[in-house]
Amino acid sequence: EADIYQTPRYLVIGTGKKITLECSQTMGHDKMYWYQQDPGMELHLIHYSYGVNSTEKGDLSSESTVSRIRTEHFPLTLESARPSHTSQYLCASSDPRTGTGNTIYFGEGSWLTVV
Amino acid sequence: AQSVAQPEDQVNVAEGNPLTVKCTYSVSGNPYLFWYVQYPNRGLQFLLKYITGDNLVKGSYGFEAEFNKSQTSFHLKKPSALVSDSALYFCAVRATSGNTPLVFGKGTRLSVIA
Repeated sequence: EADIYQTPRYLVIGTGKKITLECSQTMGHDKMYWYQQDPGMELHLIHYSYGVNSTEKGDLSSESTVSRIRTEHFPLTLESARPSHTSQYLCASSDPRTGTGNTIYFGEGSWLTVV
Repeated sequence: AQSVAQPEDQVNVAEGNPLTVKCTYSVSGNPYLFWYVQYPNRGLQFLLKYITGDNLVKGSYGFEAEFNKSQTSFHLKKPSALVSDSALYFCAVRATSGNTPLVFGKGTRLSVIA
């Protein structure tokens, strides 16, 4: 299993606040991802990165932004949170080694509630 | 385009009975196939994967899956279900060629009843 860490795990914030969800991995994986998931529902890819200074939007349009200044760090930012942003956000990274199929490993998730 | 179908939203099975969670996929060329499990309030945990070779893949917690190319399926199985297997299960696929992200199915909730 990869070591991938997300903070905070749980957060309740007011509408209009700026929030950054932190994600770090210690495995040196080049590829990192952010998924959004409502409780017990399907995953939606919102952002991914294939390396430093590389970011791409995923399948689901999101008002969040990401940055990738260091290999190990892939933070997600919401400039002005709204109740519709209430969800679980899952960070992941993938193993680049040949023969692994780029297996993705997930963090424990960040639960965001906007009130 | 890549896609994954998990035709059952919910699977119920009695403890001790065999379980199957179904997955079919669509991808251009050969696939990499994965199963993940998610327990409440947790991230997804990797269970097993098919990359190449033997069509029967064994993974964590006694789970296995069989790759069937002609039926484009990758069903997850376990010979004897445990109550602790109750969770949300996700199948995922990506093509072996190219650099596309993994595509996940919608998930199947497994309930094992004592």
